[in-house]
Amino acid sequence: EDQVTQSPEALRLQEGESSSLNCSYTVSGLRGLFWYRQDPGKGPEFLFTLYSAGEEKEKERLKATLTKKESFLHITAPKPEDSATYLCAVQASGTYKYIFGTGTRLKVLA
Amino acid sequence: NAGVTQTPKFRVLKTGQSMTLLCAQDMNHEYMYWYRQDPGMGLRLIHYSVGEGTTAKGEVPDGYNVSRLKKQNFLLGLESAAPSQTSVYFCAALERGAGDTQYFGPGTRLTVL
Repeated sequence: EDQVTQSPEALRLQEGESSSLNCSYTVSGLRGLFWYRQDPGKGPEFLFTLYSAGEEKEKERLKATLTKKESFLHITAPKPEDSATYLCAVQASGTYKYIFGTGTRLKVLA
Repeated sequence: NAGVTQTPKFRVLKTGQSMTLLCAQDMNHEYMYWYRQDPGMGLRLIHYSVGEGTTAKGEVPDGYNVSRLKKQNFLLGLESAAPSQTSVYFCAALERGAGDTQYFGPGTRLTVL
């Protein structure tokens, strides 16, 4: 069964304190792994797509990496505006379905 | 461009009542999705569509029906609402190709009493 597990559930960081969020997955053939950001009361907002092990994507203070079993979202020198829930999702090859994890709630303190 | 819009934003129903949630996109994308989001459960796929006139079941389809009569609209129906359908519902339109980006709407908060 395709499955996505995110850890930790919640994370509190001081401004400037770098850290990483984890997304472990099991899927019958990975077509893509996706990271989204969700602010309270809003819909998820796309961040990155990773297609193959070893691939990396960067955007401002965020960097996403992918291995055959997991993905990491690295946050470098975070700011309070990075506070949000970060969601990971996978798409299996040959399907149009997406499986989401339960997310990591990130709080960055000034 | 509005992207993806959802109507209504909030709704309260009594058990057994019916309603339709409307999702509209102005991006001309073929694929559209309906998800529900519950605390501790993450986003779960209800139904999806790969093009006008097509629909398919997702992970949690029971109690819901959908229709995609026009490419830009994807409707989610609840024929007889139950308290277990209290949730936040999100619609998404998928840009197939580079990035396979899903664009989400702002959500509909539904409470079933």
